[in-house]
Amino acid sequence: KNQVEQSPQSLIILEGKNCTLQCNYTVSPFSNLRWYKQDTGRGPVSLTIMTFSENTKSNGRYTATLDADTKQSSLHITASQLSDSASYICVVSERGGGNKLVFGAGTILRVKS
Amino acid sequence: NAGVTQTPKFRVLKTGQSMTLLCAQDMNHEYMYWYRQDPGMGLRLIHYSVGEGTTAKGEVPDGYNVSRLKKQNFLLGLESAAPSQTSVYFCASSYVGRMADTQYFGPGTRLTVL
Repeated sequence: KNQVEQSPQSLIILEGKNCTLQCNYTVSPFSNLRWYKQDTGRGPVSLTIMTFSENTKSNGRYTATLDADTKQSSLHITASQLSDSASYICVVSERGGGNKLVFGAGTILRVKS
Repeated sequence: NAGVTQTPKFRVLKTGQSMTLLCAQDMNHEYMYWYRQDPGMGLRLIHYSVGEGTTAKGEVPDGYNVSRLKKQNFLLGLESAAPSQTSVYFCASSYVGRMADTQYFGPGTRLTVL
């Protein structure tokens, strides 16, 4: 069964610190992987997208990495800000058959001052 | 542009009642989707549409119906609400005709079924 597992489930860090969120997936065949940010009470917003041939993608203080061989991805947040407090969702697209999306349950990040 | 909007934002139903959730997008997107989000779980696809007048079942379609009479609107109906349908419902849309393309999400509708 195609699955996306994220860790940790939740994380608390101090403002200004860095953190890394993990995503492991079993989706096959693979098309692409996205990270979404979901603020409380809002819909998810796309941060990055990586295809099979890309192993890193940055969006400001957010840097995503992808290892398609081990089926792992990470999202690194640099110099965290209070506004980074949100749920971060890893989404993997299954190639073919309509390119079905498989969503992870998300990592809830709280940045404290 | 308003993007993707959803109405209502909150709703409380009694078991057996019916209701319709409305999703509207002003980005001229072809594809539209309805998801539900439950605690500790990833978003799950209920139904989707690849264009005006078309609909298709997603991962968890039972108990829901949809209609796409206009390109910009996608309606989700609950015919006889059950407590198991208590959830947060998100609508999304995407431009290019592949589900893998970036989906733009609405703010969500929080539904409670008593």
